[in-house]
Amino acid sequence: KAGVTQTPRYLIKTRGQQVTLSCSPISGHRSVSWYQQTPGQGLQFLFEYFSETQRNKGNFPGRFSGRQFSNSRSEMNVSTLELGDSALYLCASSLQGLAYNEQFFGPGTRLTVL
Amino acid sequence: AQSVTQLDSQVPVFEEAPVELRCNYSSSVSVYLFWYVQYPNQGLQLLLKYLSGSTLVESINGFEAEFNKSQTSFHLRKPSVHISDTAEYFCAVSDVDTGTASKLTFGTGTRLQVTL
Repeated sequence: KAGVTQTPRYLIKTRGQQVTLSCSPISGHRSVSWYQQTPGQGLQFLFEYFSETQRNKGNFPGRFSGRQFSNSRSEMNVSTLELGDSALYLCASSLQGLAYNEQFFGPGTRLTVL
Repeated sequence: AQSVTQLDSQVPVFEEAPVELRCNYSSSVSVYLFWYVQYPNQGLQLLLKYLSGSTLVESINGFEAEFNKSQTSFHLRKPSVHISDTAEYFCAVSDVDTGTASKLTFGTGTRLQVTL
C-alpha cells in the first residue's frame, strides 16, 4: 500500500509570490491534515479536510488556504509569501479523521522563501 | 486549549543504555496521547498511542510509554537504545471531546542522540 506522497519535495520562492503544495493520501483515507514545521515554532496545525470540506483550522492568517478534491487529494496554497513562511510542510492522512485515528505523514515539502 | 511540554530538547545517550523522554500535557478535557518519531529528512511515524485501557503501551521496537493522569504525563522509555534510535521524538495530544477533529497538538520535540 503506497504511503502519503507530497509534491514537490523542495521549493524555492521569493517574497510576494504564491505557492501550491500537493498531497496524495493513502488510498481509502478521507481525511487530510496539514502541518507547518519550523525550528522556532515546532509543528503547528494548519487545517484538516474531510470529504472536500474544511472541518478544522489552526491559527494561521488567511494567506494560507487549502482544498480537497473528490479523490481525497489535497492542495494547500500560500499567497503573498513572507520570509517566515519558510518551513517544512507536512501532510497527514487518516481513515476518518477521528481524534483516535492514526495519522500517516508524508515526507513533507520544504519551502524556502528568499 | 491544550499544550504539550517536552522539557528536554536534546538527550544524548550511549548505545545499550536506558533512556526516558519526558512529556507533560495540559488540557481541560480528556485527551488521546501519541508519540511520533521523525528520522532525518522524513515525515513523522507513529511510535505508540494511548487511547484508553491499560496505561502502559508498547511499540514493536521496544519503546514503551505510561500514561499518568494525576501527573498529566506520558513519558517514553526504552531499556536499551540502539544507534538506529537516533531521531527526533514528538509527543502529541488530540482532544477526545471534539469527536471528529483530527487535530494534533505537538510538543517541541526531543532529539535523541545515541552514540557508541
